[in-house]
Amino acid sequence: GAVVSQHPSRVICKSGTSVKIECRSLDFQATTMFWYRQFPKKSLMLMATSNEGSKATYEQGVEKDKFLINHASLTLSTLTVTSAHPEDSSFYICSARQSFRSDTQYFGPGTRLTVL
Amino acid sequence: DQQVKQNSPSLSVQEGRISILNCDYTNSMFDYFLWYKKYPAEGPTFLISISSIKDKNEDGRFTVFLNKSAKHLSLHIVPSQPGDSAVYFCAASERGTSYDKVIFGPGTSLSVIP
Repeated sequence: GAVVSQHPSRVICKSGTSVKIECRSLDFQATTMFWYRQFPKKSLMLMATSNEGSKATYEQGVEKDKFLINHASLTLSTLTVTSAHPEDSSFYICSARQSFRSDTQYFGPGTRLTVL
Repeated sequence: DQQVKQNSPSLSVQEGRISILNCDYTNSMFDYFLWYKKYPAEGPTFLISISSIKDKNEDGRFTVFLNKSAKHLSLHIVPSQPGDSAVYFCAASERGTSYDKVIFGPGTSLSVIP
């Protein structure tokens, strides 16, 4: 099946620094990638939808300048958490959708971010 | 190698009948399991979960059953409603809390026929 990877799997950073998370579709081209944030024992919260070559569409309440998303190619999207604060500590997960399967998303394994 | 499997890509059920969605896992370290529901063009939403210390958890029309020896869980929806038509993702995590890495299955698309 289709594989989506995320790197790093875990990251610890100091408050005020920026952290970049990569999401890659390994064996398929992903026209659309999604970024989610998971709160403890809660559902995944969709943060933004990223289409290759265009600006990301952010969900209501998600700060665009705080969470920078770039989808430069059909296999790579990046999420940069700028000036991270402890409240940004969370589990971030991406997913990728194959262009010819309209409703099938393949999720990455997630990235655990801890901001000290 | 998929650690969480949902072998049925799709399922069709008549309204009012029971929907049974199945999920198998391979990692015996998984101890917390979740089901997510997803509508088109929306992110997945959490539906129901179960800890490995239980074999059943019920929430309204939704019941999840866990068979640890078989490494199998299932989601039952009774009665099924047209609004239940969506993609359902099974997910599993290790070490007992959903803080930790969550592995998702590929999803099962449920269609409830009026």
